[in-house]
Amino acid sequence: GAVVSQHPSWVICKSGTSVKIECRSLDFQATTMFWYRQFPKQSLMLMATSNEGSKATYEQGVEKDKFLINHASLTLSTLTVTSAHPEDSSFYICSAIYRVSQPQHFGDGTRLSIL
Amino acid sequence: AQKITQTQPGMFVQEKEAVTLDCTYDTSDQSYGLFWYKQPSSGEMIFLIYQGSYDEQNATEGRYSLNFQKARKSANLVISASQLGDSAMFFCAMSSGGKQAGTALIFGKGTTLSVSS
Repeated sequence: GAVVSQHPSWVICKSGTSVKIECRSLDFQATTMFWYRQFPKQSLMLMATSNEGSKATYEQGVEKDKFLINHASLTLSTLTVTSAHPEDSSFYICSAIYRVSQPQHFGDGTRLSIL
Repeated sequence: AQKITQTQPGMFVQEKEAVTLDCTYDTSDQSYGLFWYKQPSSGEMIFLIYQGSYDEQNATEGRYSLNFQKARKSANLVISASQLGDSAMFFCAMSSGGKQAGTALIFGKGTTLSVSS
């Protein structure tokens, strides 16, 4: 079945570091991927919609200069958290649309901890 | 604006019993899709079941069934014969345009289900 791979699973780094998270669709092409953020014991909140070959669409309140999204190919979208601070610590998870008759498939998520 | 409401922060059930997780929604769209996902403590999102707004029959997938009441805008998840492995967070979600549309999902706050032996 369709699989979405997300890497890394865990990141612990110092404040001020930039962190890149990759979301790959395996064995299928995904023209659209979504990035969500989830704080502990809370719901998933959409951050942005990533479209292959064009600029991402960010949700209100999400800083596009802080959360850089690049969807350079049909199988890869990346989220870069620039100059990360402790308040950026969260669970980040991506999803991709496999085909029109299937629901979105999620990656396994990335737990980001900024010290 | 679309909204999903899950009013049960936590639910407790004994093994082999049935449990209903509540979900109500609000949308002005005529075509939409309703989903339930399970999120264990490891974090991955596991798709359970889908109901389209035009589907007349309630969706069923194994032990999961969706009690869709369109007029009341509710899409409750029923888990029959609960198992210990069902203990997790359950999210109700909605998309515009049904399952196949290329839109993001809007999630409810989730319900933590605890199954005891």
